[in-house]
Amino acid sequence: AAGVIQSPRHLIKEKRETATLKCYPIPRHDTVYWYQQGPGQDPQFLISFYEKMQSDKGSIPDRFSAQQFSDYHSELNMSSLELGDSALYFCASSLRDVGGPEDTQYFGPGTRLTVL
Amino acid sequence: AQKITQTQPGMFVQEKEAVTLDCTYDTSDPSYGLFWYKQPSSGEMIFLIYQGSYDQQNATEGRYSLNFQKARKSANLVISASQLGDSAMYFCAIRGAQKLVFGQGTRLTINP
Repeated sequence: AAGVIQSPRHLIKEKRETATLKCYPIPRHDTVYWYQQGPGQDPQFLISFYEKMQSDKGSIPDRFSAQQFSDYHSELNMSSLELGDSALYFCASSLRDVGGPEDTQYFGPGTRLTVL
Repeated sequence: AQKITQTQPGMFVQEKEAVTLDCTYDTSDPSYGLFWYKQPSSGEMIFLIYQGSYDQQNATEGRYSLNFQKARKSANLVISASQLGDSAMYFCAIRGAQKLVFGQGTRLTINP
């Protein structure tokens, strides 16, 4: 079965640079979520989109922005990168909020961002 | 707001034994979903099992089962006949609005 695709898998950036992470959800899934997992921590919710509209927002820095496109893929744009942004960034996808097991979030393999 | 508490930072179990990973939760929502994910050392987050708050039966998926005690707000994961490949980090999560709220995780090590 098709899974969530994330690119790139690894990214190394310098401080103050920008980065763009891409996410391709499971076919037919219309909701995309972004999570950040720091070293030794649990994933923290950043932002989500349903039908190309932002649907929920968590602890996402103002330096970060995201959007969902007409083909449902999503991009997370990160500017003025800081050392503390080094983390594993997950994208997850699900069917829309219908309640029950149908809206289980399936995670991509993650993008490991290292800021030097 | 939702909260997940996993009180076991690490567990060590002999291969083929059963293991229970604890998870308690707090929520004011009348309807919610509870999830368990496995994160091997390679980093991916693998969905294991789901339990709905109104489900009458405990969820089961192969060797995974969920001991759901709603009154006690607990949703413990039981892995039967553990295997070396079960060594990983395990996260319990609750679905609040749309986002998942995770616990701190339990690192499970299976010894041969």
